[in-house]
Amino acid sequence: KQEVTQIPAALSVPEGENLVLNCSFTDSAIYNLQWFRQDPGKGLTSLLLIQSSQREQTSGRLNASLDKSSGRSTLYIAASQPGDSATYLCAATSSNTGKLIFGQGTTLQVKP
Amino acid sequence: KAGVTQTPRYLIKTRGQQVTLSCSPISGHRSVSWYQQTPGQGLQFLFEYFSETQRNKGNFPGRFSGRQFSNSRSEMNVSTLELGDSALYLCASSLSPTGAQETQYFGPGTRLLVL
Repeated sequence: KQEVTQIPAALSVPEGENLVLNCSFTDSAIYNLQWFRQDPGKGLTSLLLIQSSQREQTSGRLNASLDKSSGRSTLYIAASQPGDSATYLCAATSSNTGKLIFGQGTTLQVKP
Repeated sequence: KAGVTQTPRYLIKTRGQQVTLSCSPISGHRSVSWYQQTPGQGLQFLFEYFSETQRNKGNFPGRFSGRQFSNSRSEMNVSTLELGDSALYLCASSLSPTGAQETQYFGPGTRLLVL
């Protein structure tokens, strides 16, 4: 059974810092790994999707990497800004079940 | 293009009642998935529909059901509500039948409170 874990659960950094959010998954049989952002009380916004055959994806200040063999993904945020404050969720699409399995999220606070 | 819309946004019900939530996907999207989000369990997959057919189902009791119409709009129904059904219910749409294999676009959610 696929399990997705995110560490840390919460993170507070000063503005301008570069930071890394971690995601691990137990079953390497995945179609893709997705990173989402969720603002309080809101829905999810897709940030990056990495196909299982890819190693990384970049969008602006965000870079996500995927290492299927070790069951790990990281989301790198460069030059963090207060507007980046949100909960970041990673999710793996199981190639056995076709279901999207979410981690519990990392709540990020960027202080001005 | 308008995003995914969900109605109602907020709902208060009492135990034993039933509720119907609605989701309108992005125009042209034919795959709709539903998720439940609670502080304790996080985000959990409920079911996925494509072209009016349920393609995948999560591990939820039969009280949770859904359907999709020919215009791709979807509804989910929860019967005999329990306190533990209080949650944010999220709907997501995508273009193709592969559902979670591609980028999913989420709606703002319906927050259900069961008293």
